[in-house]
Amino acid sequence: GAVVSQHPSRVICKSGTSVKIECRSLDFQATTMFWYRQFPKQSLMLMATSNEGSKATYEQGVEKDKFLINHASLTLSTLTVTSAHPEDSSFYICSARGDNLNTEAFFGQGTRLTVV
Amino acid sequence: GQNIDQPTEMTATEGAIVQINCTYQTSGFNGLFWYQQHAGEAPTFLSYNVLDGLEEKGRFSSFLSRSKGYSYLLLKELQMKDSASYLCAVRGDYKLSFGAGTTVTVRA
Repeated sequence: GAVVSQHPSRVICKSGTSVKIECRSLDFQATTMFWYRQFPKQSLMLMATSNEGSKATYEQGVEKDKFLINHASLTLSTLTVTSAHPEDSSFYICSARGDNLNTEAFFGQGTRLTVV
Repeated sequence: GQNIDQPTEMTATEGAIVQINCTYQTSGFNGLFWYQQHAGEAPTFLSYNVLDGLEEKGRFSSFLSRSKGYSYLLLKELQMKDSASYLCAVRGDYKLSFGAGTTVTVRA
């Protein structure tokens, strides 16, 4: 299957700083990338959808100025958590999809963010 | 809106069969996915159904009935490594919506 690489897998940062998470599709062109957040023992919650070259679409309740998403190329999307606070500590996962809507979305490995 | 329901927990014995049900009510339907997720890891793809019927893939099978808004994932010959959370996800018009997940515990 297709491969999506997410980096870093773990990050610890101080409260008030910003953290950037990268999501790359390694062997296909990802026209759409999704960013999810998952709290312990809960399911994945979609934060935003990004299409290459256009602004991301954020889900209700997700602050677009706090969670900056850039999808500048067909193989790379980034999520920047700005001015992180302890309540932002979570598991962040990206997924990518090509042009064919009838293909499964491939997930990155996830990033465990801890804000101290 | 999207509403996807699946049981919270299930327990089964090694070598047995377990069936995880999923019911959904969504705006738009472009397929139903099942994922396996081990604690602290990202989900891995198990199966995809877009037409009614059964899809078999080794020890795992998935069934879909669009008219009933119902799917199940069948795990056969359970192994200890199958202990994980199983997520039902429905693709609506453009995005996947996930159920809360079913934690399956396999006992020796």
